[in-house]
Amino acid sequence: DTGVSQNPRHKITKRGQNVTFRCDPISEHNRLYWYRQTLGQGPEFLTYFQNEAQLEKSRLLSDRFSAERPKGSFSTLEIQRTEQGDSAMYLCASSLGRAAEAFFGQGTRLTVV
Amino acid sequence: DQQVKQNSPSLSVQEGRISILNCDYTNSMFDYFLWYKKYPAEGPTFLISISSIKDKNEDGRFTVFLNKSAKHLSLHIVPSQPGDSAVYFCAASAGSTLGRLYFGRGTQLTVWP
Repeated sequence: DTGVSQNPRHKITKRGQNVTFRCDPISEHNRLYWYRQTLGQGPEFLTYFQNEAQLEKSRLLSDRFSAERPKGSFSTLEIQRTEQGDSAMYLCASSLGRAAEAFFGQGTRLTVV
Repeated sequence: DQQVKQNSPSLSVQEGRISILNCDYTNSMFDYFLWYKKYPAEGPTFLISISSIKDKNEDGRFTVFLNKSAKHLSLHIVPSQPGDSAVYFCAASAGSTLGRLYFGRGTQLTVWP
């Protein structure tokens, strides 16, 4: 399968714990994006990488959130000291070129209890 | 501030008829518009796009119309099929924002036999 892969698909964690999600983009894609989607909303932009450089971060990405893309390949999104408000679907997307026509993974659903 | 708006949360259409999904935007810097389709428990799937230099783009049963003066776009599906039942998201990007897509809240389309 050559699509965007996200792991895990589901994560349940206790409030205050740290969690890390992984995204493997389509291999030739140089751009990688993280979005967050809550119930009844469209995806909201979190951050964007071009190769290994993190070029843009949303104000939604508080200090508890950090994202990396070492060597311009896979990416990780870490949330420290999780809060109930962090419960959402976290989506990763990749593209070759600009954001248009980005291909999305199936997402990681986070539930903070 | 919601820069991309989908004011109809749901639409129900009989199989074989036309489905028209609407989207409005407020940011005049947007120059590329996309429609994504999303099934439950899956990531959004790119459907069709249009550049601001065009007013229409067609791909099989799907046609997107753009009215820049009204800051309005619509997606027409003809003929509608039960497999088209999904949530449809309108998204927009601007050259200046490079990596970011702005999404509407989505419209749930139900196509009944």
